[in-house]
Amino acid sequence: SAVISQKPSRDICQRGTSLTIQCQVDSQVTMMFWYRQQPGQSLTLIATANQGSEATYESGFVIDKFPISRPNLTFSTLTVSNLSPEDSSIYLCSVTQGGRNQPQHFGDGTRLSIL
Amino acid sequence: RKEVEQDPGPFNVPEGATVAFNCTYSNSASQSFFWYRQDCRKEPKLLMSVYSSGNEDGRFTAQLNRASQYISLLIRDSKLSDSATYLCVVRKSGNTGKLIFGQGTTLQVKP
Repeated sequence: SAVISQKPSRDICQRGTSLTIQCQVDSQVTMMFWYRQQPGQSLTLIATANQGSEATYESGFVIDKFPISRPNLTFSTLTVSNLSPEDSSIYLCSVTQGGRNQPQHFGDGTRLSIL
Repeated sequence: RKEVEQDPGPFNVPEGATVAFNCTYSNSASQSFFWYRQDCRKEPKLLMSVYSSGNEDGRFTAQLNRASQYISLLIRDSKLSDSATYLCVVRKSGNTGKLIFGQGTTLQVKP
């Protein structure tokens, strides 16, 4: 399966600032997704990153708070804006290769803490 | 009601035991089914896809019952290294490829 690299692996940020997380894949992939995993919880999909167009956001997530870019088939960024303590979480990039029914594979995540 | 429900456990079992996890899903039109494994502070990793006919991979057996909207994972001869959280995952119908994750079942295998 594809090798998925996320950067940074962890960060500690001040309230009100923003953090941009990068997801780089070593091969072209069909679909890219961004998830959040809050402490003790399972994964929640934030959005599907669409190549060359605006991301598709899930209910409860908006572009102003979580702007996403996907300039090509191997790279995407997620920005978490105007950080507050509630944003402390793990953020995960995932990809699908081949058809839409294929499983997703995850990057190793970004652990974000807000002071 | 959650779209994918699992017993969170924890399941505490001795090495060598057989343990079974169950999962139910609410959307009868769901298309694909998976079990993922997540170790503490790590990303989820695909354990196996689940097929209608049931499938086996070494010590792991997955079953799907579409009529009952029920998925299971059986682990035989448990190893210490099997200790992890097991996530039941369902893909919704449609073209989005969106996955719905259960909250996970925690397994602790003890010597």
